[in-house]
Amino acid sequence: GENVEQHPSTLSVQEGDSAVIKCTYSDSASNYFPWYKQELGKGPQLIIDIRSNVGEKKDQRIAVTLNKTAKHFSLHITETQPEDSAVYFCAAREHNNDMRFGAGTRLTVKP
Amino acid sequence: DAGITQSPRHKVTETGTPVTLRCHQTENHRYMYWYRQDPGHGLRLIHYSYGVKDTDKGEVSDGYSVSRSKTEDFLLTLESATSSQTSVYFCAISEGTANTIYFGEGSWLTVV
Repeated sequence: GENVEQHPSTLSVQEGDSAVIKCTYSDSASNYFPWYKQELGKGPQLIIDIRSNVGEKKDQRIAVTLNKTAKHFSLHITETQPEDSAVYFCAAREHNNDMRFGAGTRLTVKP
Repeated sequence: DAGITQSPRHKVTETGTPVTLRCHQTENHRYMYWYRQDPGHGLRLIHYSYGVKDTDKGEVSDGYSVSRSKTEDFLLTLESATSSQTSVYFCAISEGTANTIYFGEGSWLTVV
């Protein structure tokens, strides 16, 4: 089955700086890659996703890039704000198979 | 927010007792899932359902059973709780296997 690795496990940045979280996956058949943000005591919330027919997707300060050849994808947050502080999870899914998640990255944005 | 309600939100139970967690959705989505979340492991799939009375195992199904008698309700049962089942349990829904998965707010279970 799919295996997803996520790095780093913790990330601390100054407000206004950019943050990058990287994930690798093992199954070349995976075709859907979402990113979730989880605040303390809450469930994961989808913030952006990308499918394998697209190399990059942006939504305001958030962007995701996908390199199918290298089997890795990344989350980029620009102009970070304290409210961006949370745990972020990447995931990968092959069609009709269950979603496999990375172990998470705890992002802290210092004011 | 996706219309997902989990109950109870917090529970402390003793080893060996049965526990049932309930997930209720108002979105009429076909697929429902139960995940557990543990430090260092992210979210792992326990069981999922693709319709009323249609369920299948996930990555970490041992010690758990599920039932879905109505489209809107998906129950997770621990027949005899063990300390290794202390975790945060998330219900999730999606319209189909190619669609986005939306999560509930979680149920914190402590087995003592």
